[in-house]
Amino acid sequence: AQSVAQPEDQVNVAEGNPLTVKCTYSVSGNPYLFWYVQYPNRGLQFLLKYITGDNLVKGSYGFEAEFNKSQTSFHLKKPSALVSDSALYFCAVRVSSGGYNKLIFGAGTRLAVHP
Amino acid sequence: KAGVTQTPRYLIKTRGQQVTLSCSPISGHRSVSWYQQTPGQGLQFLFEYFSETQRNKGNFPGRFSGRQFSNSRSEMNVSTLELGDSALYLCASSLGARGLNTEAFFGQGTRLTVV
Repeated sequence: AQSVAQPEDQVNVAEGNPLTVKCTYSVSGNPYLFWYVQYPNRGLQFLLKYITGDNLVKGSYGFEAEFNKSQTSFHLKKPSALVSDSALYFCAVRVSSGGYNKLIFGAGTRLAVHP
Repeated sequence: KAGVTQTPRYLIKTRGQQVTLSCSPISGHRSVSWYQQTPGQGLQFLFEYFSETQRNKGNFPGRFSGRQFSNSRSEMNVSTLELGDSALYLCASSLGARGLNTEAFFGQGTRLTVV
């Protein structure tokens, strides 16, 4: 079955420190991977995507993600965390289904950045 | 460019009633997907519409239905509401239904509370 796993329910990091939010995937064929962020009582905002090419993808708000095919991972990273980065982060993979496609989301990881 | 618009933002309904939620996608986007978000189940795919036709459907009972109009606006309907239907319902639009590399853009959601 095609799936996405986010092994950490919550990640705590001090402001100014680097952060990593982990994601692993299981798909048949080439993976099309996405990261989204959700602030309280809001919808999901697109951060970045991996389609092909460079394994390091840069996105919005200083976030980047590293694709690792051998480890089937797509971890989200930021060199220096801000308190305002505190939110719920979702990893997703787009999979083909009956000629069309859909997004499968991980369970989400809550990021808490402490001053 | 206007984003994805969902109405209403909040709804309170009684068990047994029915409800209709509305989603207006980004101009030019023809694919609309619906997701249910709950603390226990996370983000679950409900269905996707493209060119007024349902292309994909998740594992939800027949009480959940939807439709798409010629202007790509979409509605979802839940009949005979149950307490467990309380959730944030998110709508996402994207350019087309076949592009695996296409990101989806989400509305702010409709918070449905069933009492």
